Amino acid sequence: DGGITQSPKYLFRKEGQNVTLSCEQNLNHDAMYWYRQDPGQGLRLIYYSQIVNDFQKGDIAEGYSVSREKKESFPLTVTSAQKNPTAFYLCASSGRLEELFFGEGSRLTVL
Amino acid sequence: AQSVTQLGSHVSVSEGALVLLRCNYSSSVPPYLFWYVQYPNQGLQLLLKYTSAATLVKGINGFEAEFKKSETSFHLTKPSAHMSDAAEYFCAVIRFLNAGNMLTFGGGTRLMVKP
Repeated sequence: DGGITQSPKYLFRKEGQNVTLSCEQNLNHDAMYWYRQDPGQGLRLIYYSQIVNDFQKGDIAEGYSVSREKKESFPLTVTSAQKNPTAFYLCASSGRLEELFFGEGSRLTVL
Repeated sequence: AQSVTQLGSHVSVSEGALVLLRCNYSSSVPPYLFWYVQYPNQGLQLLLKYTSAATLVKGINGFEAEFKKSETSFHLTKPSAHMSDAAEYFCAVIRFLNAGNMLTFGGGTRLMVKP
């Protein structure tokens, strides 16, 4: 089945550690996105990529990094510089001017 | 710039009652609008979308939304609520940027359905 796979679903991290969240899609979409979700704040855009080897900062990119070496993959690294990383992270992809298709999310908890 | 505002972070209805979730948009160009639903600890699922065709859009699970340009609204409705409709609902608009397009989401409305 076509879709978006995020892993891991749950992740625990100690303060000061970097972690990488995986996002893979087999929908042949050019565009991919990372959103952060906090209770009562909706979804906020972290990074997005319209084509391979290119990506743009979203509204809350500080403390995060991404890469887009392959069309199918768009991993997100939460660095130690992110001051409040505990959140639910959602990856999505889309075709041109189409709706976004979302993965099941990854919940990161900093201990 | 394109944006959406959802009125009411929590809405409670009785099973069988009308569901009305409000969304107002701001856009300098004809908007593309979406409604998504999210169940706990899951991703978002598309309910319906408006892309400048018919103003009344029908979606999955019996939901529909009407685009009203004069009111800059795109409210989501369902005639009769079911317990399984309890979830969080997000309105979104496409944001057009030089480096590509993305969705901007409202703050979400949590729908509670009472038996």
